Amino acid sequence: DQQVKQNSPSLSVQEGRISILNCDYTNSMFDYFLWYKKYPAEGPTFLISISSIKDKNEDGRFTVFLNKSAKHLSLHIVPSQPGDSAVYFCAAVVSYFNKFYFGSGTKLNVKP
Amino acid sequence: DSGVTQTPKHLITATGQRVTLRCSPRSGDLSVYWYQQSLDQGLQFLIQYYNGEERAKGNILERFSAQQFPDLHSELNLSSLELGDSALYFCASSEGIAGPWGTGELFFGEGSRLTVL
Repeated sequence: DQQVKQNSPSLSVQEGRISILNCDYTNSMFDYFLWYKKYPAEGPTFLISISSIKDKNEDGRFTVFLNKSAKHLSLHIVPSQPGDSAVYFCAAVVSYFNKFYFGSGTKLNVKP
Repeated sequence: DSGVTQTPKHLITATGQRVTLRCSPRSGDLSVYWYQQSLDQGLQFLIQYYNGEERAKGNILERFSAQQFPDLHSELNLSSLELGDSALYFCASSEGIAGPWGTGELFFGEGSRLTVL
């Protein structure tokens, strides 16, 4: 029962361009969404989050968009840098139950 | 450095054996989460503890068990190991409860890589 899906296992982008990573979810009870970045041999690290009461949250080069009607979440990285190359996981939370559901990840490769 | 410590980093064992993975959360964090990442898979939530009590359960097998001790460190016990249990096991911690009123951040350890031969 995969409630959070990242349908693109990989994405390749040229340095300086925009990277768009997508995430879909099925559970309408999710009220908090997060993106994590993971480098090889390291644990995932928190990147950015958004509450379900918002539709956009921005932090520097990273912007997360939430479309509740479509149950869709996206992460925009502008401009993309080679150091952004990593696996990105989206996560969704039902706060009341405090359960995090993670997608399967998208491997981003930013080419110099 | 996330502040979450997991031991051992690598573990190789045989089928049918039992292992214990250990996690020390960040100082002050009351919640501990365990996740499994198999090859090419996402992070599968196993179980969560909050201040010593089980709070949420995910897709954790009956052969697996966990606990959180009074000093807030946690252990994940895996028994009757099978080849398919080979995976990266991550521990994460957070201060409290995620949600609009909190940061919702989980701080992950570097993981324990289990190989079952």
